[in-house]
Amino acid sequence: AQSVSQHNHHVILSEAASLELGCNYSYGGTVNLFWYVQYPGQHLQLLLKYFSGDPLVKGIKGFEAEFIKSKFSFNLRKPSVQWSDTAEYFCAVNAKAAGNKLTFGGGTRVLVKP
Amino acid sequence: DVKVTQSSRYLVKRTGEKVFLECVQDMDHENMFWYRQDPGLGLRLIYFSYDVKMKEKGDIPEGYSVSREKKERFSLILESASTNQTSMYLCASSPLGGGSTEAFFGQGTRLTVV
Repeated sequence: AQSVSQHNHHVILSEAASLELGCNYSYGGTVNLFWYVQYPGQHLQLLLKYFSGDPLVKGIKGFEAEFIKSKFSFNLRKPSVQWSDTAEYFCAVNAKAAGNKLTFGGGTRVLVKP
Repeated sequence: DVKVTQSSRYLVKRTGEKVFLECVQDMDHENMFWYRQDPGLGLRLIYFSYDVKMKEKGDIPEGYSVSREKKERFSLILESASTNQTSMYLCASSPLGGGSTEAFFGQGTRLTVV
C-alpha cells in the first residue's frame, strides 16, 4: 500500500477557481514534506517544502500548503488558478521512519480550462 | 542552476536486451536517485546512492541494478529488459541534509520495451 496518498487523480476547473489538492501520509515521527509540479513536457520542480516551524508554507506561483500533524496531511492550495497551472502535482514525504527515502504520492493531474 | 542530465529522452529496446540509462549531475551532490513514473502510481524509487560505490535498494529494485563509479554519474541497468519495464525513468540528485533538502530532477527517459 502506498504510504503517501493523493485523493484525486484528475481535477478539472476553470480559471479563477480555487484549487485544493489533498495529501495524506502514514509515517509517524519526523517528516519533511514537499509538493512538486510537472508542467507538460518539463521536468519535475519544487513548488514548496515544509521542514519545521510555521505549518502554513508559501511556495512559488501563489501556491501554499498547510501541514496538519494530527491529520497526517499536507494539502496544497491556490486561491485563484490560471491556465498555466495545468500540470501534474506530486506530494512527497521524506520520513525518518522510512529511512529518509523520498516517497511520492500517485500524482494529481490538474487541467485548468481557459 | 543545478543540472541533472539524462543521456536519452526516448529509447526503444527489445525484450531481453541489457539496457543502460545514464544520469549526470553538475552540482557535486552526494545523493542520487532513480525513479520510475507510471500513471496513477506516481514516482516509485528503484535505487538510490549516497556516495560513490554505495547503493541502497528502493521500493522496486527487482530487475534493475545500478552503478556509481564517479560522484557525478549514476547509471541504471536493466539486466534483461521486459515489457513491464516500459516506463518513464527519472533521475534525481540532492545534497546531504538528512532528508530536508530538495531533490533536483532530470527530464526523464521514456523507455519502451517491445
